[in-house]
Amino acid sequence: AQTVTQSQPEMSVQEAETVTLSCTYDTSESDYYLFWYKQPPSRQMILVIRQEAYKQQNATENRFSVNFQKAAKSFSLKISDSQLGDAAMYFCAYTLSQGGSEKLVFGKGTKLTVNP
Amino acid sequence: DTAVSQTPKYLVTQMGNDKSIKCEQNLGHDTMYWYKQDSKKFLKIMFSYNNKELIINETVPNRFSPKSPDKAHLNLHINSLELGDSAVYFCASSPYSNEQFFGPGTRLTVL
Repeated sequence: AQTVTQSQPEMSVQEAETVTLSCTYDTSESDYYLFWYKQPPSRQMILVIRQEAYKQQNATENRFSVNFQKAAKSFSLKISDSQLGDAAMYFCAYTLSQGGSEKLVFGKGTKLTVNP
Repeated sequence: DTAVSQTPKYLVTQMGNDKSIKCEQNLGHDTMYWYKQDSKKFLKIMFSYNNKELIINETVPNRFSPKSPDKAHLNLHINSLELGDSAVYFCASSPYSNEQFFGPGTRLTVL
């Protein structure tokens, strides 16, 4: 089965500290994309970071970086210098090819609380 | 200059009614999607369309019928609404790079 597992339903971090959100996935494909999406209370889905599976170098976007371990099928998100605005649900996802299109397969999400 | 827009943002209706949600994207993307987010926040694909052609139909009840009049629009019509249809419905679009751009979501409440 093609699945994404986020083992931490909830996490909390102090403002200015660093937090890591875990994600593992299961796919039989060799070429795919991985994503972290953020969903604040406004419910808008916002792309945080993406990683192409054929690239060994870990993606970074300002305070956000990933630890991509392809063999282990692990894709964790590190948020440095956490800010109050980082509080949100975070969803890990990967693309799965189907019928000439790609669909996103999501994990169940991690709710991140940032404490002042 | 909204990229992916959905109307309405909120929809409250009675069981048994028929309703539609509209989606438009001005990004020039060929592929559009509908996702459903349930009360536990789990997101799951329902449909994808590529250039007006249905590509993915993910075991969704046939009360749900997507319609794509052109590649910039993908509407979702739901017949005979049930309590279990209450959810947030997201439209998304995608270029060739696999990244998907989401609309703001439509919160559907069935009473």
